[in-house]
This record gives sequence, C-alpha cells and structure tokens, in this order.
Amino acid sequence: GAGVSQSPSNKVTEKGKDVELRCDPISGHTALYWYRQSLGQGLEFLIYFQGNSAPDKSGLPSDRFSAERTGGSVSTLTIQRTQQEDSAVYLCASSLGIRGGGYEQYFGPGTRLTVT
Amino acid sequence: KQEVTQIPAALSVPEGENLVLNCSFTDSAIYNLQWFRQDPGKGLTSLLLIQSSQREQTSGRLNASLDKSSGRSTLYIAASQPGDSATYLCAVQAGTALIFGKGTTLSVSS
Repeated sequence: GAGVSQSPSNKVTEKGKDVELRCDPISGHTALYWYRQSLGQGLEFLIYFQGNSAPDKSGLPSDRFSAERTGGSVSTLTIQRTQQEDSAVYLCASSLGIRGGGYEQYFGPGTRLTVT
Repeated sequence: KQEVTQIPAALSVPEGENLVLNCSFTDSAIYNLQWFRQDPGKGLTSLLLIQSSQREQTSGRLNASLDKSSGRSTLYIAASQPGDSATYLCAVQAGTALIFGKGTTLSVSS
C-alpha cells in the first residue's frame, strides 16, 4: 500500500515568510509525528498526534511553529515568520499508535526547507 | 534525559565483510528500539524494531540485538554489499517520540 507522503519535497522561502508543510500518513495509522533533521543536530522530535487526543507539542522549538491534524488524517506543519535557523529537512512519520511497547514508525521522504 | 550514542560515526569496509554497528542509550526504561537506514537526500527506512521484552530481531542479512540492562544494541550486517552504503540510525522510544542517535555512515567498496 501507499506509504507516508509529504509535500512539497523542496521549499525555498525568504526570511520572515510563513510556510506550510503537508503530511499524508499511512491509511489506518492513528499516530502521526513530525521531526526535524538539521545539519549537526540530528533528528529531533517536534509534535505528536494520537487519535482525538490533545497533541504532544513538547518538541516545538518556538511559538512560531504550530501543527494541526484534520479528520485524524492529513497534518499540516506551519512555520510563521521563518528564520534561517529553520532551514532543515522536516520529516513526518506515522504508526498504528502507542500501546504498551509502541509501534513501528514509518517515515515519509521529508520536505527540505531552505530559508534565504 | 535519554541520550543515544552511535559508534563509530563512519565506517568503510570492503564488500563481503561482516560488520557491527553499535548503539548505546542512557536510560533503560524504553518501550522499543528501532534501526533505520537513510540514503542521501532521502527519508528513513525502517530496518528492524526490537520490543523491550525481546533480545534480538533478524531480517535477511541483518540481525539486531538489545541488552536493556547495559543500555546497548548492535546491528550486525552479514556479507556486506555496496548497496548497503547508507547512514544507519538507531532510535529508542521511551515516551511518545523516538530519540535518535547521530548515525553511523557506512561505505562498502566493491
């Protein structure tokens, strides 16, 4: 079946502009995650959605970052007033959800964001 | 705070060699540990998932072990091939999110 898809694959924006990144999880997966991969920083967690529960936003680096998940499926990560340090690859992952030991996470191809 | 370390950071081997990649973590209270592969400019491909109650998992030429008490995992790759060249990432799940190591970049020469 189809994997996790993300769009756009690449985004170049000017400093100060807002950007929206989209993630389509695997059908039937109730858990959705956003991660960021920066040079020298490795992969870091941003936000987690599970079903209709309140999201875990503990990884968001500032209030310029927000995310929503509509209808328990598609998610959008929004970065307002982008800064050069926001340049990174933003990865989305989905899984069947957290229960006991947790489930395998499947990652999308990522969106490479460049802020000029 | 959970920290994940991968050693070595880079490894070059000739084709056909068996090799071991190492991963260590500081807090043994984990749900599971997952090994991923990342090719340049691509996303992550899941290789193996080991639940906290398990000791190892195998898939083809790959074997991953988990020793929770010592906070270690190893990924064993048998009979390496040039197509195995990639960055291998180890990640542990203790809460909602995965905590990743910085990865080991493997180069297999023909």
